[in-house]
Amino acid sequence: QTVVTQEPSFSVSPGGTVTLTCGLSSGSVSTSHYPSWYQQSPGQAPRTVIYSTNTRSSGVPDRFSGSILGNKAALTITGAQADDESDYYCVLYMGSGNRVFGGGTKLTVL
Amino acid sequence: EVQLWESGGGLVQPGGSLRLSCAASGFTFSNYGMSWVRQAPGKGLEWVSAISGSGVSSSYADSVKGRFTISRDNSKNTLFLQMNSLRAEDTAVYYCAKQIVGPPFEYWGQGTLVTVSS
Repeated sequence: QTVVTQEPSFSVSPGGTVTLTCGLSSGSVSTSHYPSWYQQSPGQAPRTVIYSTNTRSSGVPDRFSGSILGNKAALTITGAQADDESDYYCVLYMGSGNRVFGGGTKLTVL
Repeated sequence: EVQLWESGGGLVQPGGSLRLSCAASGFTFSNYGMSWVRQAPGKGLEWVSAISGSGVSSSYADSVKGRFTISRDNSKNTLFLQMNSLRAEDTAVYYCAKQIVGPPFEYWGQGTLVTVSS
């Protein structure tokens, strides 16, 4: 069974930089997994931040960037703001139409 | 402007059935794959099912395979999820999502709540 791993929680100071990661329990994440990142605030629907490794969704500030770092996908927020405080989920495409979400990272900005 | 509007959620007894709909607008519906993603109360996101733009290809998470069926009516710009043999663990908010030209999700609906309980 494929497990997608994310840090359960992370904290960043306002104006700081934070990198969230998305890995696989077995193997490395590559661009072939089309790693994508979604932001979700309490009671709200998810919002697409990054898709296909490093493409920002429409309207997403350029302080958000995506990449592959080592064997994981990464979401970096440079110059974090208070309204970046949310849950962040990554999802990987596993082929044959199947996707697997990570468990999510709760980001605190304080 | 892309808009996705889910409907059809509600309270259903274990073993029962429910059909969710997702009305789409603002894009050429038949050109894009669509997915259903759910979120149990207090839990993370779980991909449920996906269907190609033509409706010919579909895929399912193991947790729903054999019980749920995804379909679409491109003449009515509507996505469906037929859910049978429902279990308590299917209780969740169900979101429909428009894919880009490829696997990732781009736009999301606001979700519809399904509660499976006696």
